Amino acid sequence: DIQMTQSPSTLSAFVGDRVTITCRASQSISNWLAWYQQKPGKAPRLLIYTASTLQSGVPSRFSGSRSGTEFTLTITSLQADDFATYYCQQYYSYWTFGQGTKVEIK
Amino acid sequence: EVQLVESGGGLVQPGGSLRLSCAASGFDFSSHRMNWVRQAPGKGLEWVSSITSSSTYIDYADSVKGRFSISRDDPKKSLSLQMNSLRAEDTAVYYCARGRWYDSSEAFDIWGQGTVVTVSS
Repeated sequence: DIQMTQSPSTLSAFVGDRVTITCRASQSISNWLAWYQQKPGKAPRLLIYTASTLQSGVPSRFSGSRSGTEFTLTITSLQADDFATYYCQQYYSYWTFGQGTKVEIK
Repeated sequence: EVQLVESGGGLVQPGGSLRLSCAASGFDFSSHRMNWVRQAPGKGLEWVSSITSSSTYIDYADSVKGRFSISRDDPKKSLSLQMNSLRAEDTAVYYCARGRWYDSSEAFDIWGQGTVVTVSS
């Protein structure tokens, strides 16, 4: 089974900050990595697929990148609406999620 | 509007059974893989089961294999999850999610609002 290790588990930031979340796969998953945003009491929302492609309607301040088996979600200029929990997901072999990163207001 | 609406959750005793349903609208249901994903209270997301179009391929997470059964009714645009031999650790919000092809594999682009399953005596 492919394991996804996400860090940090919690992140405190100010509005306007640049935020980076990292996800590492236990083996090669090519670019088959998605990022989801989840707000309390709500369903997850797909933000990024194939590691770096923005889903339709997602603001351009969100971006994704890959270096080997390490993937990064970056939010430039964090907005109040971005405080949420973020999950990575590999879809190379079945589907596995990272543990989540909660982005809190500092 | 593309929409998924789950139903059927509730309180059930350990060892009991429950059947969840997911009603789809606004898209060609028969063309998509459909999935169940769950989230235990205060925890992360866990993929549970998947069924391809025409029910050709069905997969389960090891944690539910042999106890849960996924099915679909394409004319009715409905997805189901029959859950038997329920355990306390099955307590979670259960989401229905649509698969969509990106590159050569599928992520989940549309999610329902979830239905709560509580297993407790």
